[in-house]
Amino acid sequence: GAVVSQHPSWVICKSGTSVKIECRSLDFQATTMFWYRQFPKQSLMLMATSNEGSKATYEQGVEKDKFLINHASLTLSTLTVTSAHPEDSSFYICSALGEDQETQYFGPGTRLLVL
Amino acid sequence: QKEVEQDPGPLSVPEGAIVSLNCTYSNSAFQYFMWYRQYSRKGPELLMYTYSSGNKEDGRFTAQVDKSSKYISLFIRDSQPSDSATYLCAMRNTGNQFYFGTGTSLTVIP
Repeated sequence: GAVVSQHPSWVICKSGTSVKIECRSLDFQATTMFWYRQFPKQSLMLMATSNEGSKATYEQGVEKDKFLINHASLTLSTLTVTSAHPEDSSFYICSALGEDQETQYFGPGTRLLVL
Repeated sequence: QKEVEQDPGPLSVPEGAIVSLNCTYSNSAFQYFMWYRQYSRKGPELLMYTYSSGNKEDGRFTAQVDKSSKYISLFIRDSQPSDSATYLCAMRNTGNQFYFGTGTSLTVIP
């Protein structure tokens, strides 16, 4: 149980395009999901917390107009990187708070490369 | 001072060794403690979760929490090459805020 999927697993795009990443909780409902960014050999950096049906809460320094987060259902949250640039290239990982509201379950991550 | 401190390693041990991974924390409001394992280019996988002081065992893994010292540990017995990964400790307060360690890189040499 508590499986989280992400799609796509990797994406290459041209500078200036927008990229959407989906995060799904497959076998449980998630009222809260988290989006992280991770650089090579570094720890997780929380970007935002999203709650189903309400606006996401962004961490300090994260541009909400750049990283659009939508959590429209109890099993799906999306992260859209708008007008992507090479510096947005990174490993993006989502997680979902379990139904016990106690632990996070992570997706497999999405590797984004912006050329 | 960081909320959670974790030695980044790297840690290299021979196959079969007992591995000890540790984290310290400063906030006594942390009530829930987790260990995640992250393989290269993958998302973290929940290994152990506990909310009380003491030991919790699951197969070759033992999680230990000492709230009085604000110290948590993960022990891996009979380590295997497949245990080679980065191990992240994580803590949560009652307000659903999570704090992660920076991760310890472990290599188990056959």
